[in-house]
Amino acid sequence: EAEVAQSPRYKITEKSQAVAFWCDPISGHATLYWYRQILGQGPELLVQFQDESVVDDSQLPKDRFSAERLKGVDSTLKIQPAELGDSAMYLCASSLSKDRSGKLFFGSGTQLSVL
Amino acid sequence: QKEVEQNSGPLSVPEGAIASLNCTYSDRGSQSFFWYRQYSGKSPELIMFIYSNGDKEDGRFTAQLNKASQYVSLLIRDSQPSDSATYLCAVNMEGGSEKLVFGKGTKLTVNP
Repeated sequence: EAEVAQSPRYKITEKSQAVAFWCDPISGHATLYWYRQILGQGPELLVQFQDESVVDDSQLPKDRFSAERLKGVDSTLKIQPAELGDSAMYLCASSLSKDRSGKLFFGSGTQLSVL
Repeated sequence: QKEVEQNSGPLSVPEGAIASLNCTYSDRGSQSFFWYRQYSGKSPELIMFIYSNGDKEDGRFTAQLNKASQYVSLLIRDSQPSDSATYLCAVNMEGGSEKLVFGKGTKLTVNP
C-alpha cells in the first residue's frame, strides 16, 4: 500500500539551531501539505503545494520557516533558528489534486523537541 | 476567523455502547466534512467523509450533517476498546485553496 514517507521520525535540537524535515508524497499526488500539531491540539496547516507552487502559506512563520517542493514531488520544511515553541509534531500529507475533497493521506510525522 | 469546534472530552463509554462525537463550524459556505481518527503518537487517518445533509453510514460508523445548524457528528455503534483514540473533525473551508481546517479533537476511551 502506498504511503507518505517522512524523515526523520524524531528530532531533538537546541534552540537557535537549524532543522529540516523531508517528505515524499504518494506517487501521483500533486497536492502536498505540511501541518504542525501541538500536543492536545488539532493539526494546523503551515503550507500547501500544488505541484511545485505554493497555494497557501498564510500560517507559515516566514521569518524562520521555509518550505520548498522544487520538482513537484518531494518536499523539505526548514526551521532556522528553532525556538522552544516550535516543539511539536510536523505532519506531511498528500492528496490527489483532482479529488479536491480533503481526503488527506498523512505520513508518520516528525516529532520535534527543541531544548 | 474560520473555526471548527469540538468538545475536547475526554469521552468515556463502555464497550458495546454508542459513542457520539460532535462538531460545529463557523463557515456557512463549507461543503465538505471529514472525521479523522488519531491513535496516540500516530498520524491522523481518514475514517468518514460527508458532503450532503443527512446521515451516511459505513459499518459501525455514521456521520451526520446539518448545514443549517452548521453541525456535524460521528456516531460509533458497538464501541470497541480499539476505537479508543482522538477523533478530529475537519472542514473544507471556502476560499479557492480548498483549505482543510481541523478541530482540536475529542479523546474517546472505550472501557472493556
